[in-house]
Amino acid sequence: SAVISQKPSRDICQRGTSLTIQCQVDSQVTMMFWYRQQPGQSLTLIATANQGSEATYESGFVIDKFPISRPNLTFSTLTVSNMSPEDSSIYLCSVEGIQGRGTDTQYFGPGTRLTVL
Amino acid sequence: EDKVVQSPLSLVVHEGDTVTLNCSYEVTNFRSLLWYKQEKKAPTFLFMLTSSGIEKKSGRLSSILDKKELFSILNITATQTGDSAIYLCATMDSSYKLIFGSGTRLLVRP
Repeated sequence: SAVISQKPSRDICQRGTSLTIQCQVDSQVTMMFWYRQQPGQSLTLIATANQGSEATYESGFVIDKFPISRPNLTFSTLTVSNMSPEDSSIYLCSVEGIQGRGTDTQYFGPGTRLTVL
Repeated sequence: EDKVVQSPLSLVVHEGDTVTLNCSYEVTNFRSLLWYKQEKKAPTFLFMLTSSGIEKKSGRLSSILDKKELFSILNITATQTGDSAIYLCATMDSSYKLIFGSGTRLLVRP
């Protein structure tokens, strides 16, 4: 599988601030996604990161709160804006359609553990 | 509304036991079903299933999908303490989006 990296791996932030999480893949991929896992919960899709255009958000998630960029086929960022303690979660990027690996298999990055005080 | 339901929610076994984890789903535009193992942060891919009745195996783990009854099972034989983790089932739709179940927390005691 491709190597997927995320930065930072963890952070502790003050409420009202913003944090940008980066996701880098070592090969081109067709699709990139961002998920959130709140404490004790399963994963929930935030949005599909579209290369060169605006992300597609799931119900309950909005661009002003979670702006996403995807400037090319190997990189994406997720910003968590104006944070509150309820944003404390693990944020994960996933990739689909790794070059030469076919489709229907999503691989996840190592995740970013965010704590908001 | 699409949903994925896993059972049991948690399970405690002893090393050497065999376990069966269940996943049922009600999903429109179903494309495939995936199993992941989550130990710390990142889910690790185990299996992807698209066809009914075809078992996939990887060492002591195996999985099968029933598209008529809308469920899948994950079997782990001769369990080891290293199998302790949360096992996640997810369905993929035609847009490649994943819907996850709540997971089964497996604890294997020595």
